[in-house]
Amino acid sequence: GQNIDQPTEMTATEGAIVQINCTYQTSGFNGLFWYQQHAGEAPTFLSYNVLDGLEEKGRFSSFLSRSKGYSYLLLKELQMKDSASYLCAVIDSNYQLIWGAGTKLIIKP
Amino acid sequence: GAVVSQHPSRVICKSGTSVKIECRSLDFQATTMFWYRQFPKQSLMLMATSNEGSKATYEQGVEKDKFLINHASLTLSTLTVTSAHPEDSSFYICSAGTGSTTEAFFGQGTRLTVV
Repeated sequence: GQNIDQPTEMTATEGAIVQINCTYQTSGFNGLFWYQQHAGEAPTFLSYNVLDGLEEKGRFSSFLSRSKGYSYLLLKELQMKDSASYLCAVIDSNYQLIWGAGTKLIIKP
Repeated sequence: GAVVSQHPSRVICKSGTSVKIECRSLDFQATTMFWYRQFPKQSLMLMATSNEGSKATYEQGVEKDKFLINHASLTLSTLTVTSAHPEDSSFYICSAGTGSTTEAFFGQGTRLTVV
């Protein structure tokens, strides 16, 4: 079966760095997305990786290793507004989106 | 965990016809449903937000007469692409929420191809 695993919840301190991991087992791979979602709001796009390596975009970076079926989202200089759910999603060979359950990130002062 | 079922997963239709996509929350009541569109290797684009029993709120640039959204019950929302054209070919995905938690429950997506 197809599966996306990410931690259910993480806690970090304001100003610190946090890494949210995502592992996947899917039938084929056509890209991996990270989304951020605040309570009661629509998810917003953070990153898309299709090739191995690190994609940096401001305070957020996303890494992909296709051979390991692994990705992580790195958030630097954490702010209180970064408290949200972070979703990992993979497009499989049939162009179906397979979603992780999301990681709830709690930022403490 | 909560499950959102979206059907069909793939559909091919002729230009000028209409296509209906269903999004069902199977084990929870979805007070809010989001409909997205996604072009290859691009981010999800929010099309509209619907709340049960009320009219959908469309994002700027989305034709409400072309993309009809109905959220008639707490477990079902539908998106109808009317008079479809090849440029409407895309990946459509719904997500459902209760409005009170950070959890996001997404459908599997529908790949629409208009020929």
